[in-house]
Amino acid sequence: GAGVSQSPRYKVAKRGQDVALRCDPISGHVSLFWYQQALGQGPEFLTYFQNEAQLDKSGLPSDRFFAERPEGSVSTLKIQRTQQEDSAVYLCASTRGTGSGDQYFGPGTRLLVL
Amino acid sequence: GENVEQHPSTLSVQEGDSAVIKCTYSDSASNYFPWYKQELGKGPQLIIDIRSNVGEKKDQRIAVTLNKTAKHFSLHITETQPEDSAVYFCAASPLYNTDKLIFGTGTRLQVFP
Repeated sequence: GAGVSQSPRYKVAKRGQDVALRCDPISGHVSLFWYQQALGQGPEFLTYFQNEAQLDKSGLPSDRFFAERPEGSVSTLKIQRTQQEDSAVYLCASTRGTGSGDQYFGPGTRLLVL
Repeated sequence: GENVEQHPSTLSVQEGDSAVIKCTYSDSASNYFPWYKQELGKGPQLIIDIRSNVGEKKDQRIAVTLNKTAKHFSLHITETQPEDSAVYFCAASPLYNTDKLIFGTGTRLQVFP
């Protein structure tokens, strides 16, 4: 594809609802990353996939957060029982492979939990 | 773990002037240092990067310098234009160990015509 795409672009959830955020990486990119960006802050790492393998999930803030990439392309970040502190922009990035460095970001999903 | 500090948090310059943003990092294992530009409502866009085996890299009006001994790196933008106005983030990563990026807190650059 032309770039990393994410959907939905905006999501409003009531506290306690479950949400699912989708990421379509650049075609052929092996590595996929999720970041969380709070208002006025830099992105913070959540988790990392190489193909379908989740190699690092050290940044996931709680067990309410779950990510998957079952076929090594599209990825979904799921947040269960959303809380107000989950409100942020969730960014997805992809790279060609390990050590390639250049991560290309999608536009993000802005999540607002009321 | 890695910690990246960035300053200034805001920077205002006149069109045509130069802008410099500085970052420091803590983990000597970091070997990859990208810079991203983020416009309102958009994802970060990679504008330039440097690896630890290089001291300086230039791309038209943008340059990055790296001092491994002091653990700091800087972004230089010359001949600034209003369209350079955005938030800029530095980041660091120990590639091959883990490819995740650790970001600085961002610099809001405003270029006045």
